[in-house]
Amino acid sequence: QVQLQESGPGLVKPSETLSLTCTVSGGSISSYYWSWIRQPPGKGLEWIGYIYYSGSTNYNPSLKSRVTISVDTSKSQFSLRLSSVTAADTALYFCAREMYYYDSSGYYSYYDYWGQGTLVTVSS
Amino acid sequence: SSELTQDPAVSVALGQTVRITCQGDSLRSYYASWYQQKPGQAPVLVIYGKNNRPSGIPDRISGSRSGNTASLTITGPQAEDEADYYCSSRDSSGNHVVFGGGTKLTVL
Repeated sequence: QVQLQESGPGLVKPSETLSLTCTVSGGSISSYYWSWIRQPPGKGLEWIGYIYYSGSTNYNPSLKSRVTISVDTSKSQFSLRLSSVTAADTALYFCAREMYYYDSSGYYSYYDYWGQGTLVTVSS
Repeated sequence: SSELTQDPAVSVALGQTVRITCQGDSLRSYYASWYQQKPGQAPVLVIYGKNNRPSGIPDRISGSRSGNTASLTITGPQAEDEADYYCSSRDSSGNHVVFGGGTKLTVL
């Protein structure tokens, strides 16, 4: 059973950099896309970005200038860095595994495993 | 378009049938996936692809697609189906992921 676990500081000061790590256990980090997704209190889900196990990345255009996602396959971990944070970045941050493939029926994209989420508050 | 549009809230009487919809241009090319989220919990995948349920998801939950609209149907909802439901897919470029705004389902 694949498990994902987020870790990192729960409190970050405005203008500083938010850093989180997701540790994958029970399965390989290879051959999958790994995403960070966040949810501000009382609001919906927002995709932040993904990294393929090989290291290629794509980010939400609205956050692209501040986001970096990296992977360490030797540790089965991938990480998020979000710079210049403000109160608007206060959210529950999830890591998740994306299945993405194509067959004769079309393109498939879905998140089959999620971490439990970690609340990050931006405040001085 | 990179957006997925959902109705903010839907209610259904216990035992009736409810359909939650998700609209977006990307759904013409990409199957939507659907997630159930209860307060304080991580989202749970309930439907993916044409109409696939992960293990443990009851068969009263089903999915479909027509044109640019994906639908999640719950036939005979139970009290435990009361939750927020989100749709998601890749955008039309295939490079980004998008989520709908979510639908709060109330079972009366």
